[in-house]
Amino acid sequence: RKEVEQDPGPFNVPEGATVAFNCTYSNSASQSFFWYRQDCRKEPKLLMSVYSSGNEDGRFTAQLNRASQYISLLIRDSKLSDSATYLCVVNQGFKTIFGAGTRLFVKA
Amino acid sequence: NAGVTQTPKFQVLKTGQSMTLQCAQDMNHNSMYWYRQDPGMGLRLIYYSASEGTTDKGEVPNGYNVSRLNKREFSLRLESAAPSQTSVYFCASRSQGNTEAFFGQGTRLTVV
Repeated sequence: RKEVEQDPGPFNVPEGATVAFNCTYSNSASQSFFWYRQDCRKEPKLLMSVYSSGNEDGRFTAQLNRASQYISLLIRDSKLSDSATYLCVVNQGFKTIFGAGTRLFVKA
Repeated sequence: NAGVTQTPKFQVLKTGQSMTLQCAQDMNHNSMYWYRQDPGMGLRLIYYSASEGTTDKGEVPNGYNVSRLNKREFSLRLESAAPSQTSVYFCASRSQGNTEAFFGQGTRLTVV
């Protein structure tokens, strides 16, 4: 079993749609959690950290459920510019572990 | 603001050749990482260095060696390149605690 698992995707949505990404992690000792965005042929960049209380940044909302070892990302009012791969990331001690990513295509 | 710098950006090797990928960060981070990313896949951890003087294996260490030269630099060496090592290699660093990782721009390596 992979340490961090994500929806395989891809997701194809129209502009303005709401889309949700799901992620689970296997190690209950994981300490911190993030969503990264990766554009084609570019390096991953931090989208947002994920906190137990949930957090929001504009159209993006991230949630963490430690009991279920589950992380989510919600994007509201999707834009064409949101098209990218979204990576779920978990810190376990000194290791930083990535999920395989979910590709999002937003269409006009 | 350089952040994490990787060299080279592109490389073509013949099977059996060796090379070293260089990575340097100027953010005074303790931990550094090497990942590989294959088409349609996420980043897989090759090796990491929690702090200067230490290195540990990640998920896919076979065929690679690393050196944490000092706090700033962490190199990845392929002793005898194989076509299966064709990939995009990313270096990253982060500070201690619950912090995010910062990435270099990647090295696109092709082994023929």
